[in-house]
Amino acid sequence: EAGVAQSPRYKIIEKRQSVAFWCNPISGHATLYWYQQILGQGPKLLIQFQNNGVVDDSQLPKDRFSAERLKGVDSTLKIQPAKLEDSAVYLCASSSPGHLSGNTIYFGEGSWLTVV
Amino acid sequence: AQSVTQPDIHITVSEGASLELRCNYSYGATPYLFWYVQSPGQGLQLLLKYFSGDTLVQGIKGFEAEFKRSQSSFNLRKPSVHWSDAAEYFCAVAAYNNNDMRFGAGTRLTVKP
Repeated sequence: EAGVAQSPRYKIIEKRQSVAFWCNPISGHATLYWYQQILGQGPKLLIQFQNNGVVDDSQLPKDRFSAERLKGVDSTLKIQPAKLEDSAVYLCASSSPGHLSGNTIYFGEGSWLTVV
Repeated sequence: AQSVTQPDIHITVSEGASLELRCNYSYGATPYLFWYVQSPGQGLQLLLKYFSGDTLVQGIKGFEAEFKRSQSSFNLRKPSVHWSDAAEYFCAVAAYNNNDMRFGAGTRLTVKP
């Protein structure tokens, strides 16, 4: 079974530029998560989708971050404009349906963003 | 909101020695508790989870954890550490019926030969 796929794996951009990350969850997984992991910290949930609907985006900085999952499968996370403090690993994860149902969340390897 | 504290930033143990990683949570009701492991450059892998029932939970790779409500703790243990266990370990807590899972800052495990 293929895991959660993310791209690009690494990205370096200048502040005020934009960047987009793509995630392809495990086939059949209805729930998709985006986490931000800053160096030395644990992951922080940015947004959670159930199919193509948003379940929780309370910790998403909506002035600069956006995410979509138009067809309920792939998802894109965008940052515009980027700030230095956005340097982090962006982890995509999926589960079927949600982790509180006892299902395991599977994480991708992450997209590493450096803002200079 | 729920929160997690992992008091130890870095722990070093010798191969073959026992291991205990500490995790304390804050939440007013019965939490859902998790331990994840992250190897360098990799995503997180679930080691074990506690939802209800037996407070001693067995996981993969020989790990176990014990939920102690009176101490608000969910410590991770392994009787004999292998060099391949060197990684970052994260404890996480989720509230009942709440999708927001909060992670601790992590404990980095180094294994000496």
